[in-house]
Amino acid sequence: EAQVTQNPRYLITVTGKKLTVTCSQNMNHEYMSWYRQDPGLGLRQIYYSMNVEVTDKGDVPEGYKVSRKEKRNFPLILESPSPNQTSLYFCASSSLRGSNIQYFGAGTRLSVL
Amino acid sequence: AQKITQTQPGMFVQEKEAVTLDCTYDTSDPSYGLFWYKQPSSGEMIFLIYQGSYDQQNATEGRYSLNFQKARKSANLVISASQLGDSAMYFCAMRGRTGNQFYFGTGTSLTVIP
Repeated sequence: EAQVTQNPRYLITVTGKKLTVTCSQNMNHEYMSWYRQDPGLGLRQIYYSMNVEVTDKGDVPEGYKVSRKEKRNFPLILESPSPNQTSLYFCASSSLRGSNIQYFGAGTRLSVL
Repeated sequence: AQKITQTQPGMFVQEKEAVTLDCTYDTSDPSYGLFWYKQPSSGEMIFLIYQGSYDQQNATEGRYSLNFQKARKSANLVISASQLGDSAMYFCAMRGRTGNQFYFGTGTSLTVIP
């Protein structure tokens, strides 16, 4: 089954404790992206990647890191999480051919205390 | 700057009626794509419909159609024959070709009334 898999689905952590949210897709998509969703703000793009070893900042990259060492994986790293990073996070992927429809993971709900 | 605007925070529609969710966009790219996604209360993001900026005809997918007015920079979603299962948050999104970034609106919460 074609899918984007995020882990974990729920995470509670404390300020300053490094964490990684994993994202993997099995559709051989070139494009992968991370978003955060906050009430009243919609989804905002954090980082995106056009292919292996190519990453670019989205609208809200501060406090986040990403890497794209393999085509299928695109982890999101919070080196020193802060309470303002409490949010719902989505990973998405798409082909760079055709309409570029993005397919989303199920989301990760992060709480930073 | 590229931007998506959804001006209707919440909408109500009677079951079996049609409803239009508004979306306007702002871009200087000559080539771009417009998308609508549905987010039910369970939280997942479900792709509904896509419109390319050079597409001559409005996109349709089952009960969903996109009313694309390029000169007015609007891409409204029309849902025909609303069903209770259509109650959800709906997001309009855009991808500019040159920037490769995706931009989402703030969403419209649709409630279908029996």
